[in-house]
Amino acid sequence: AQSVSQHNHHVILSEAASLELGCNYSYGGTVNLFWYVQYPGQHLQLLLKYFSGDPLVKGIKGFEAEFIKSKFSFNLRKPSVQWSDTAEYFCAVSRNQAGTALIFGKGTTLSVSS
Amino acid sequence: GAGVSQSPRYKVTKRGQDVALRCDPISGHVSLYWYRQALGQGPEFLTYFNYEAQQDKSGLPNDRFSAERPEGSISTLTIQRTEQRDSAMYRCASSLLGLAGLSTDTQYFGPGTRLTVL
Repeated sequence: AQSVSQHNHHVILSEAASLELGCNYSYGGTVNLFWYVQYPGQHLQLLLKYFSGDPLVKGIKGFEAEFIKSKFSFNLRKPSVQWSDTAEYFCAVSRNQAGTALIFGKGTTLSVSS
Repeated sequence: GAGVSQSPRYKVTKRGQDVALRCDPISGHVSLYWYRQALGQGPEFLTYFNYEAQQDKSGLPNDRFSAERPEGSISTLTIQRTEQRDSAMYRCASSLLGLAGLSTDTQYFGPGTRLTVL
């Protein structure tokens, strides 16, 4: 069965610090990979996604993620965080097949102090 | 509305009561998913519709949970004889394409319904 592991439950950073959130998945086949974000009081929003091609994908608000197939990883990065990045971040994976469910990690809460 | 909507946003009920949660997907979206998210966890899949057909209900925890999407648009998730362990955030998502579409479809989420069973 597929599973997703997010290494950090809660990350606390100061503004301008660099961010890297770890995500590993277990599945032997071809997968689609996602990062979703939930800002306080808002719903889950897509931050970025990887389907195929260039393993370095760029998303909204300066976020990027790198797919490393050999490590089954899809880590999220941002060079310089802002207070407004305070949110909960979820890594998710799905099989490369239409109509399949997302499997989510437990999420990482990011708190950025100004 | 441009996005997925869900109602009610909050629902408090007593143990043993039935509840119905509604999801209105983005107009024209063929696929509809229901997820449940317990506190401190990520969303977990419940069921999937392709148009009006319930294609996958493997995530429904027991027979107290059911879902329908009779006209291929609005969906209702019903929980009968609620129990305290049913308390969670229930999330709905829709995507443009269905089973005949691409595997690279993106799911868009609604605001969720926070269910509390007393």
